[in-house]
Formats: sequence, C-alpha cells, structure tokens
Amino acid sequence: GPKVLQIPSHQIIDMGQMVTLNCDPVSNHLYFYWYKQILGQQMEFLVNFYNGKVMEKSKLFKDQFSVERPDGSYFTLKIQPTALEDSAVYFCASSLLTSGNTLYFGEGSRLIVV
Amino acid sequence: GDSVTQTEGPVTLSEGTSLTVNCSYETKQYPTLFWYVQYPGEGPQLLFKVPKANEKGSSRGFEATYNKEATSFHLQKASVQESDSAVYYCALTLPQQGTGSKLSFGKGAKLTVSP
Repeated sequence: GPKVLQIPSHQIIDMGQMVTLNCDPVSNHLYFYWYKQILGQQMEFLVNFYNGKVMEKSKLFKDQFSVERPDGSYFTLKIQPTALEDSAVYFCASSLLTSGNTLYFGEGSRLIVV
Repeated sequence: GDSVTQTEGPVTLSEGTSLTVNCSYETKQYPTLFWYVQYPGEGPQLLFKVPKANEKGSSRGFEATYNKEATSFHLQKASVQESDSAVYYCALTLPQQGTGSKLSFGKGAKLTVSP
C-alpha cells in the first residue's frame, strides 16, 4: 500500500536543543498530519497541514512546535527548544483528500529528550 | 466535545478463540468510522473503513458492524491467530470542510494471542 517515510527513526537530544523530524508523505497526497504517542498510550493529534498552511492544531501543539513543507520536499516538525515531556514517538500521516479520507501513517520517529 | 470511547483494555486470548472490541462515540455530526491496527514498532495501519450503518464490513478475517442508533461500532474476529497480536484502535473523522481528515483515536485495545 501507500508508504509514508519518516527520518530519523530514533533520535536522542539534550533538553533545550532543537530537533527536526522529517516526513516524506505519499506522493499525490495533499493533507499532512503529525500525531504524538507517548509509550503505551493513545495516539494524540497534533496538527494538520494543507496548501502550505496549518489548518488545525491541538493544545498539544505548543508554541515551540512548527511545521512546514518547503517547495514540496519533506514535511517537517520542528521543536525548538525541546523539553523532557516532548519524549514520545511522533507519527506523520498523509491523506489524499479531506473529510472521511483514509490516513496513511509512517513508522514513527522516536524522540528521547534527556 | 466530539469523542470516541474504546472500552477494552489489554486482552489476552488463546489461538482459535473469538475477539470483540467495542467502541462508542459522541458527536452531533455524522462521522466516518475506522479501525486501525498497530503492530509493535510500527505506525497504525488501516484495517478498514467501517461501511454504512447496519452493514457489515470485513477485511483479513475481521468484521466490523456499526449501530448508528446506539452510536457504537464493533470489531470482531471469530478465530484469532498469534499473528493478530497488536493494538487495535477505533477512530473517526468528522465532516470538516477544507481542514483535512483529523482522525480521533480511541485508547486502543492491546491484543495478545497465545499459541
């Protein structure tokens, strides 16, 4: 099926540093998403993105978070500065169309903030 | 607000026994319902999109039913295999114009199948 690729798969970073998580969505998809999953817990929506803009974000999407997709390259999630509570697995997803359309997820980027 | 509630916690079954996972939702809108499965170390993957109310859907030996009146939907498999061990999530999206399919997940039911 359609593949979403995420880089890196794992990253350990010192608290206060910046991290960028990269996502290569399914090639013809138009909507992009980030989800956060703390170990063993629920998948939590962070943000979705379309046509160069954030469409909706949750309260988990703190001011230190930003997303972009410059010139159709990777869809990125940047956290600056990182905090201990940002340790989690971050999943990128994409969908072709809007409401009711299937989301395809990557395998996640495990972020450990120390 | 809109939400989806998944009632089961961890489930341990023996191979060949049956599985039922239940979900309910609260929304004043008409949602699109999904079941996703997440294997260890992987991202969630679509099991299937639940068909219209009072119709059954099936995929990979799993069946889904949807009771629109009770705002509930259910996942079943008659005979589980060890390879079915995973976390099963119910999820929904709401009809939102132009903002993409924000998928809201239930808490997930972790299934462990022993041989």
